[in-house]
Amino acid sequence: GAVVSQHPSWVICKSGTSVKIECRSLDFQATTMFWYRQFPKQSLMLMATSNEGSKATYEQGVEKDKFLINHASLTLSTLTVTSAHPEDSSFYICSARGLAGMQFFGPGTRLTVL
Amino acid sequence: DAKTTQPTSMDCAEGRAANLPCNHSTISGNEYVYWYRQIHSQGPQYIIHGLKNNETNEMASLIITEDRKSSTLILPHATLRDTAVYYCIVRVTQGGSEKLVFGKGMKLTVNP
Repeated sequence: GAVVSQHPSWVICKSGTSVKIECRSLDFQATTMFWYRQFPKQSLMLMATSNEGSKATYEQGVEKDKFLINHASLTLSTLTVTSAHPEDSSFYICSARGLAGMQFFGPGTRLTVL
Repeated sequence: DAKTTQPTSMDCAEGRAANLPCNHSTISGNEYVYWYRQIHSQGPQYIIHGLKNNETNEMASLIITEDRKSSTLILPHATLRDTAVYYCIVRVTQGGSEKLVFGKGMKLTVNP
């Protein structure tokens, strides 16, 4: 399968700071990228969908001003958690879908907000 | 909301076939069934997908009933490394875009 990477794999930050997570499709062009969040012992919850060069579409209940998504190229999307608080601590997973329609997931980023 | 239901958990003996069921009674005619699995603290791994015909790849086989209301993922010779949460997902179109909406999944434990 195709490879999707995320950076960093884990991050610890202080409350009130912003954290940026990168998602890259390494061997294919991702026309659409997705960001999910997963709390302990729960399933993945879709946060937003982004198409290259367009504004992201957020799922109901997800604050677009808090979770800034940029999909500037066909191989890179970034998620910025602004003014992070302890309740934002979670496992953030990106996913990329190429022209063939297949969707592959990154390894995830563990965010801990102190 | 997810359009699939799966058992909460299942055990399987190492070396035996693992048959993982999934119900998707409200599936529409052009919606695909996808299977992913997630090993602890990792991103989901693609396994297989299908529309109405049975599918097989190097990882697994997917059997879809003729009415498409249910399917079974078959791991022919389960190993300890197959222990994971398995997600059966119907890709849906919402708000003009196709999405994978995850349900709770099923925990498969392969025992020695």
